[in-house]
Amino acid sequence: DAKTTQPTSMDCAEGRAANLPCNHSTISGNEYVYWYRQIHSQGPQYIIHGLKNNETNEMASLIITEDRKSSTLILPHATLRDTAVYYCIVRAGTSYGKLTFGQGTILTVHP
Amino acid sequence: EAGVAQSPRYKIIEKRQSVAFWCNPISGHATLYWYQQILGQGPKLLIQFQNNGVVDDSQLPKDRFSAERLKGVDSTLKIQPAKLEDSAVYLCASSSLAGGDSYEQYFGPGTRLTVT
Repeated sequence: DAKTTQPTSMDCAEGRAANLPCNHSTISGNEYVYWYRQIHSQGPQYIIHGLKNNETNEMASLIITEDRKSSTLILPHATLRDTAVYYCIVRAGTSYGKLTFGQGTILTVHP
Repeated sequence: EAGVAQSPRYKIIEKRQSVAFWCNPISGHATLYWYQQILGQGPKLLIQFQNNGVVDDSQLPKDRFSAERLKGVDSTLKIQPAKLEDSAVYLCASSSLAGGDSYEQYFGPGTRLTVT
């Protein structure tokens, strides 16, 4: 699976949009971009995934660049409960499901 | 639906002792994963089961770690003997599919192991 690069930490004001970038310049054609987050003392939680089109669900939006070398996770109206470590993961659709987590981005939402 | 259950939530043991962790996945999920998460790092896959067969155990330290999934449902992860570097959170996850175009892994709350 391709390697991802994320900023170590980011801050966001409550009620504002949080935009979390991820670089995956070596992604191949059959690899999906997944986002998980981990709130303190909990297991990781799935947020969203995509292949090449932008995706939106009740939690977030995922914007993937046309060349697929980078993506951005958008939390449209961040709340204090969104403070967590956010992991960007690239995984081949044909793999047996293994998720390779990196260090992730620590997002802190301030009042 | 009930989530992934794990027990115990916390365990403190001395080095060279043995310990076991239990996981009950979401009902009907064929795939079960055990991850190890050392403080400050992302989770690392130890072993993956598809029903009761092992799909991937390439990162499991087999000289001291073992895992089983009897009848394709519950699973147990054992460490014997424990070392100081085994101090970590052990996460269990399950999913309905092992591969395909998309799937979602559901994680339990984890077991925090401290080896002294």
